[in-house]
Amino acid sequence: GDSVTQMEGPVTLSEEAFLTINCTYTATGYPSLFWYVQYPGEGLQLLLKATKADDKGSNKGFEATYRKETTSFHLEKGSVQVSDSAVYFCALSGGGADGLTFGKGTHLIIQP
Amino acid sequence: DSGVTQTPKHLITATGQRVTLRCSPRSGDLSVYWYQQSLDQGLQFLIQYYNGEERAKGNILERFSAQQFPDLHSELNLSSLELGDSALYFCASRARDQETQYFGPGTRLLVL
Repeated sequence: GDSVTQMEGPVTLSEEAFLTINCTYTATGYPSLFWYVQYPGEGLQLLLKATKADDKGSNKGFEATYRKETTSFHLEKGSVQVSDSAVYFCALSGGGADGLTFGKGTHLIIQP
Repeated sequence: DSGVTQTPKHLITATGQRVTLRCSPRSGDLSVYWYQQSLDQGLQFLIQYYNGEERAKGNILERFSAQQFPDLHSELNLSSLELGDSALYFCASRARDQETQYFGPGTRLLVL
């Protein structure tokens, strides 16, 4: 079945550092890929998405490129802020009626 | 605010009891998904409804059931509760012909 693997962390960085959170997937067909973010005590918010190979999703300074050849969708940000501290989830949708398949989540901590 | 609402926000109950969680999707969305988030299992897809009909099942226990009503709100029923059912339960809704799911704030269930 479908699966998503991501680094679990916690990942601790200083403010203004460069961020990479790795995400790789296994899926049949051509899934859509997502990054969701969960702030403390809140639900999941869509951060960005990509629906086909070589698409780049971007939002709030975050970017991720759908790489079919390496089955990856790594999340990057050039300069993180304290307010980016949260748990980040990589997910895929195989299309159709099935729900999203999530990675375990990466806890990101940004120190001032 | 995603536009998806869930009630109650918190629920504390005892083993063996039955509870009902409620979800209202975004205006116009016909699809509702239920997910469970626990420390050991992560985020898991439980079940999906579309316009009142069950469309897909994930890792949903037989003790759990759901339904979607004519006004499109959905309820997740959890019975014969066990300590291990303590978790955050999210619902999400999706627009027709779109892949993005929008999540509610969740219901935190504690079984004592």
